[in-house]
Amino acid sequence: GIQVEQSPPDLILQEGANSTLRCNFSDSVNNLQWFHQNPWGQLINLFYIPSGTKQNGRLSATTVATERYSLLYISSSQTTDSGVYFCAVEVEDFGNEKLTFGTGTRLTIIP
Amino acid sequence: EAQVTQNPRYLITVTGKKLTVTCSQNMNHEYMSWYRQDPGLGLRQIYYSMNVEATDKGDVPEGYKVSRKEKRNFPLILESPSPNQTSLYFCASSLNLGLAGATYNEQFFGPGTRLTVL
Repeated sequence: GIQVEQSPPDLILQEGANSTLRCNFSDSVNNLQWFHQNPWGQLINLFYIPSGTKQNGRLSATTVATERYSLLYISSSQTTDSGVYFCAVEVEDFGNEKLTFGTGTRLTIIP
Repeated sequence: EAQVTQNPRYLITVTGKKLTVTCSQNMNHEYMSWYRQDPGLGLRQIYYSMNVEATDKGDVPEGYKVSRKEKRNFPLILESPSPNQTSLYFCASSLNLGLAGATYNEQFFGPGTRLTVL
């Protein structure tokens, strides 16, 4: 099956810092999404980005499908950004839209 | 508000006592799915449904049942829960416009159900 690797696994930053999270995947994908899992366990949709670049406030994401990677940028970090960030990809599977998740990047923002 | 809801959010139960976790979406999505999340194993798909009365096994279906009698609801049933089913469960849905050649869509997740089986 497809492999999804995220880096770095852990990141500790001071409030106000910027960060870049990376997601590499081993095969062509139909869909790529970024999620934030907050300390309460909820999975929050950040971006649906199978290709191209999107921005939403302090967050932006870029996916280069031909080179099989995606980047999530977080600028001017706030303590509420803490949590685990997952990328998840979907491959063609006869109608099953199963998402394969990466292992995540745990981000801790220190006041 | 467009959303996926799950109930209960937290449940502590005992081995062998049948339980149902409900999932409902108000976006008229065809596709729905259940995942479980465990430390070190990530999120794994349990079952999925492409539409009403169309369900199929995911990667870890043992010990679970599902049904899809209405488009909006996709309950997860544990007939005889065991401690190894202690986990964080997520329901997800998306529009699913079809198979090869169609546009694929963003998936939305419910808030999660934290289940402990003693």
